[in-house]
Amino acid sequence: AQSVTQPDARVTVSEGASLQLRCKYSYSATPYLFWYVQYPRQGLQLLLKYYSGDPVVQGVNSFEAEFSKSNSSFHLQKASVHWSDSAVYFCALRDYNQGKLIFGQGTKLSIKP
Amino acid sequence: GGIITQTPKFLIGQEGQKLTLKCQQNFNHDTMYWYRQDSGKGLRLIYYSITENDLQKGDLSEGYDASREKKSSFSLTVTSAQKNEMAVFLCASSDRAEQYFGPGTRLTVL
Repeated sequence: AQSVTQPDARVTVSEGASLQLRCKYSYSATPYLFWYVQYPRQGLQLLLKYYSGDPVVQGVNSFEAEFSKSNSSFHLQKASVHWSDSAVYFCALRDYNQGKLIFGQGTKLSIKP
Repeated sequence: GGIITQTPKFLIGQEGQKLTLKCQQNFNHDTMYWYRQDSGKGLRLIYYSITENDLQKGDLSEGYDASREKKSSFSLTVTSAQKNEMAVFLCASSDRAEQYFGPGTRLTVL
């Protein structure tokens, strides 16, 4: 069955520190993978996406993610976080046939000053 | 660029009431989606539509109806609101690759 798991419901890091948000997926083929961010009382905004090719993809606001087929993972990273990065982050997988997105549970990121 | 508009932003209903949420997009996308977001549970697909007058059930369609009378709009109806229900309903539209989301409608049932 297709699924996306974000094992960390909450992550807190200090401003300026590096960040990794974890995402594991289960899919029978090579998936299309996405990271979305949701700021308070807003909809989801696309951070980055992976379709094929280079396993490291760059996104907006200096975020990047690395696809690993062997680990079935698509972890999100940032070298130095800013207080404005506080938000909920969702990893998602696109079902190729239906086009629908299958979401993880989300990770709430808090930044300490 | 385009935009997705959802109305109302906040919806307060009574138990057993039928409630309708509306979504408009000006991307000219064929496919539109309704998701329900509960705290700590991510987003779950309720209904989607690949073209005007098409409706496809998602994983959470029980208790909901949908309507796609125009390409630009997609409505969702909660057929009988459940007491103490609280959730955010997100509408999205997509081209062949990416989905674009509206700001959501927050539902509270008293």
